Formats: sequence, C-alpha cells, structure tokens
Amino acid sequence: EAQVTQNPRYLITVTGKKLTVTCSQNMNHEYMSWYRQDPGLGLRQIYYSMNVEVTDKGDVPEGYKVSRKEKRNFPLILESPSPNQTSLYFCASSPLRGLSSYNSPLHFGNGTRLTVT
Amino acid sequence: KQEVTQIPAALSVPEGENLVLNCSFTDSAIYNLQWFRQDPGKGLTSLLLIQSSQREQTSGRLNASLDKSSGRSTLYIAASQPGDSATYLCAVRGGLTQGGSEKLVFGKGTKLTVNP
Repeated sequence: EAQVTQNPRYLITVTGKKLTVTCSQNMNHEYMSWYRQDPGLGLRQIYYSMNVEVTDKGDVPEGYKVSRKEKRNFPLILESPSPNQTSLYFCASSPLRGLSSYNSPLHFGNGTRLTVT
Repeated sequence: KQEVTQIPAALSVPEGENLVLNCSFTDSAIYNLQWFRQDPGKGLTSLLLIQSSQREQTSGRLNASLDKSSGRSTLYIAASQPGDSATYLCAVRGGLTQGGSEKLVFGKGTKLTVNP
C-alpha cells in the first residue's frame, strides 16, 4: 500500500532533550516536506526537499533540522526542543515529473503530536 | 507574501444539501491549487488538484473551480452526506511572492458538519 509513515504518533518530551521524528514513504517520491499545524495558525511549512541531499527552508524553519540521505526517508530533528514547538506535525511527499512537481498532489502521513514540557 | 483565506471557518448543513466552500489567495501567479480533507486526528487526504492552466476539476460529487485572475477557488459538494463532515483545506503552490518556490501555503480550513 502506498503510504507516508510517520513515527511516533505521539511524543511527550522535556525542554532541551533532542528528538527525531521519522518520515518514510514507499512511493519513490522525490519531493518531501514537513509541516506543523497549530490552532488558529493552520498548516505551515517547516522544510522541504526536492531530492536526496537537497533541502530548503519553508516558512518556519527555526529550531528544526532535516536531512535527506536516502530518497525514502526525511527525518525531522529538534536539537533542543522548546514548549513553543508543541504542535501537530505532518510529513508529506509527492513525485517530481520532469522539471516540475507543481502538478502532483501531496500525500500526507497521519501526523505526530508532539508535546514539549 | 502569499496569503490564503477560507470562508466560512465553519459550516453546518442538513444532509442532502448542495454547498460551496470558498478559498481566496493574494498572489495569483500560482502553479496549482489543491483541496484537502482532514478528519479529526488524521492526516490530510488530497481531494482535487487544479493546475494553473485549468478552470475546474471534478471527482464524484466534488467539483473544484479556479479563477486565477481573481484569486479564488470554490469547492462544490453535491448532495452532502454525514460522511462528508470534516475540515476542508485549500493550498496553493508557488507564486511570484514566493520566488516560484516549492512552498505550499494553506488556508486555515472550513469545518463542515453535515447533519443527518
């Protein structure tokens, strides 16, 4: 089954303790992206990647890191989490067709609910 | 900076009614617009994607239109059912104010409740 898998689904941690949220897709998609969803603010893009070893900042990259060493995986790393990073996080992927991914729908994972105390 | 607005924020209708959800965006130079459905505690499911060169897309009881020049899109749901209850989000990709990048900007969604 084609899917985007995030782990864990729920995570409670303390300020400053490094954590990684994993994202894996089995559709051989080039494009992957991370979003956070907050009440009243909607979904905001954190980072995205066009292909292996190619990453770029979204609208809210501060406090986050990503890596794309393999095509299928795009982990989100919080080196020193803070309470303002408490949120619902989504990973998404889509194919790149030719020179453009612009006309390819995004596939989303089921989300990771992170609480930082 | 691209901004996407969805009105209304919430909508409650009786079963069987036809309804329209609205989405507007400030930078009309987009590459595509996508409508998603989000169920509580779940991820987003893509419903329809409209390319910048298209005017509308249809899937079953859903029809999405795009008017780039006015910065508007609508999602029409025919003969609504209780199972359509969810939050519907629109998102636009690209745009001059984003340097034609891969950024996807979302609206805050319309929470739809279809009452039996």
